[in-house]
This record gives sequence, C-alpha cells and structure tokens, in this order.
Amino acid sequence: AQTVTQSQPEMSVQEAETVTLSCTYDTSESNYYLFWYKQPPSRQMILVIRQEAYKQQNATENRFSVNFQKAAKSFSLKISDSQLGDTAMYFCAFISGSSNTGKLIFGQGTTLQVKP
Amino acid sequence: GAGVSQSPSNKVTEKGKDVELRCDPISGHTALYWYRQSLGQGLEFLIYFQGNSAPDKSGLPSDRFSAERTGGSVSTLTIQRTQQEDSAVYLCASSFRDREVQETQYFGPGTRLLVL
Repeated sequence: AQTVTQSQPEMSVQEAETVTLSCTYDTSESNYYLFWYKQPPSRQMILVIRQEAYKQQNATENRFSVNFQKAAKSFSLKISDSQLGDTAMYFCAFISGSSNTGKLIFGQGTTLQVKP
Repeated sequence: GAGVSQSPSNKVTEKGKDVELRCDPISGHTALYWYRQSLGQGLEFLIYFQGNSAPDKSGLPSDRFSAERTGGSVSTLTIQRTQQEDSAVYLCASSFRDREVQETQYFGPGTRLLVL
C-alpha cells in the first residue's frame, strides 16, 4: 500500500527566513504525482505545488520549491522569504498515475508557524 | 472563476439524526471527490464521481454513508443515524479528469460536522 509520512508535526520559522518541510512516501510504482497543499485556519485546502514523477526537474512556484529525490522517495518543500501569511498546516499528498479513483493519499500534516 | 463551494459551513446535529452535506464543484470539472478530515484519522478519501457515477464506493466508512451526484454537477453526501465518531470536517474537491494525467484537485472550504 502507498503511504505518505511527514515526520515534523510542528515547525516554526522567523519571518523572511527559509524553512524546509519534509515528506517521504512509499510506492512500488514509477508513475505518480506529488503535491503540497496548504490549509490555513480558514480550512480551505490550497494547492502550493505539484510534481510529476517522470519530471527530473524540481517544481518551483515563486517562493516555494521542492527537492524531489525519486530514488530516496523524498519530496521536501522549501519556503523562502517566509511570510506571516504562510502560517498554516501543510500536507504532502501522493496519487498513483494508474489510479482509477483519483484518490489522494495524504500525510499527517506539518503545522508551520511564521513568527514576526 | 468561482471555486468549489460547500454548504453548510458548519453543522451541529444530535446523535441519530440524518445530515446532508452539499458540494458545488468548479464549473466544467468532470470529477468530484469527497474526503473526511478528523483528528484521529487525518485525511481520508471517501468517494469519487466521474460524471454522475461513482465506480468505487469502498472508501465510505459504513452503510450509513451515501453520496450522489446529479447533472454532472452538484453532489450530496448523506450520513444517516449520525454517530459521534462522524464528527469531522468533510471536504469536497473537483478536477477536470483526464485518463492520461492525474489532474490537480481543487478543494472547497469544507463542512465542519459536530455530532452531539
């Protein structure tokens, strides 16, 4: 069975600094997709970044970038120049490329606090 | 355009009552998903609709849970004879499903259900 593990339940960072959130996953498949979602206190789950496993280049979106290590099954999220609005719970998620149901498998989440 | 909307935002009910949760997906999205988010279980996949059909209902926690989708648009998740363990946030997501690519799922703000 596929699993996603986020080993850091809580993290904090000073405003304007850089923080990295960890995620590892387990799968025997070679075709899959990985996501980071952000969930602020408003509950709205917002897509941060998406990575296709077949792409070697790490995805980036403005201040957000990933370090995708396929062999190590690692997918960490780096947030540069942290802002107060980045305070939220962050979820790493996996979906099989062969999934017929579109089922996202989520990690347990990391609560990030950005301090002024 | 408008995002995924869900209603009600919050629902408090008494044990044993039935509840209906509604989801309006993004216009044009063919796929719709329900997830449940609880403290003990994290984020769990419940069911997926492609158009009006749900090919796999095995994610529903018990036979008290049912879901339908009409007109390829609005979906309703119904919980009969609610129990306290049903208390959770119910999230809906939608995507434009493509057989070749796992499209990104966009989430609504969720319905927080509290069963007293």
